[in-house]
Amino acid sequence: GQQLNQSPQSMFIQEGEDVSMNCTSSSIFNTWLWYKQDPGEGPVLLIALYKAGELTSNGRLTAQFGITRKDSFLNISASIPSDVGIYFCAGPLYGANNLFFGTGTRLTVIP
Amino acid sequence: DTEVTQTPKHLVMGMTNKKSLKCEQHMGHRAMYWYKQKAKKPPELMFVYSYEKLSINESVPSRFSPECPNSSLLNLHLHALQPEDSALYLCASSQQGQGFYEQYFGPGTRLTVT
Repeated sequence: GQQLNQSPQSMFIQEGEDVSMNCTSSSIFNTWLWYKQDPGEGPVLLIALYKAGELTSNGRLTAQFGITRKDSFLNISASIPSDVGIYFCAGPLYGANNLFFGTGTRLTVIP
Repeated sequence: DTEVTQTPKHLVMGMTNKKSLKCEQHMGHRAMYWYKQKAKKPPELMFVYSYEKLSINESVPSRFSPECPNSSLLNLHLHALQPEDSALYLCASSQQGQGFYEQYFGPGTRLTVT
């Protein structure tokens, strides 16, 4: 079935380092979303992308909608301890209300 | 305000119990969602309500029964659950219309079935 693959699966970085992660799909998406989830909490929307090639920033976060519409990228600059969590990409599949989530990237920031 | 609230935060229930999860939003959103999330997995869509009508049921067992009493409230009634139903249950809401609208999630209810 459909799967949104995120890589890396997990990463350990030093505080202050930049982070890059990506999400790839076998299907075309018209919208990409990036969420962050803290343990035991609900996902929080970080960035939404609506156009192929679009580059959008939210503070230290920057996300890009891949040209092929089958991938998206998230970068975090100058990481801080509160960036710890699981980052999910997501997109609507089989209809506007049917949001499908990627496999997630678990980020650990070492102070 | 992008707040979605869920109660209770934690719930432990036996396999013969009946319980309900509640979700509320006051953003004027007309689409509301239930997701199930197992540990170390992404959220999976269960139900979608659009204008208070059930529009998507992702082949969820009948022991889960959703209800949307009005445009601000969403309930999930639970009956005769199995231990494998233990998970984080997430509610979300979004605007509804032509095209896709961003979904905003509540903090979830951690359900344990014993």
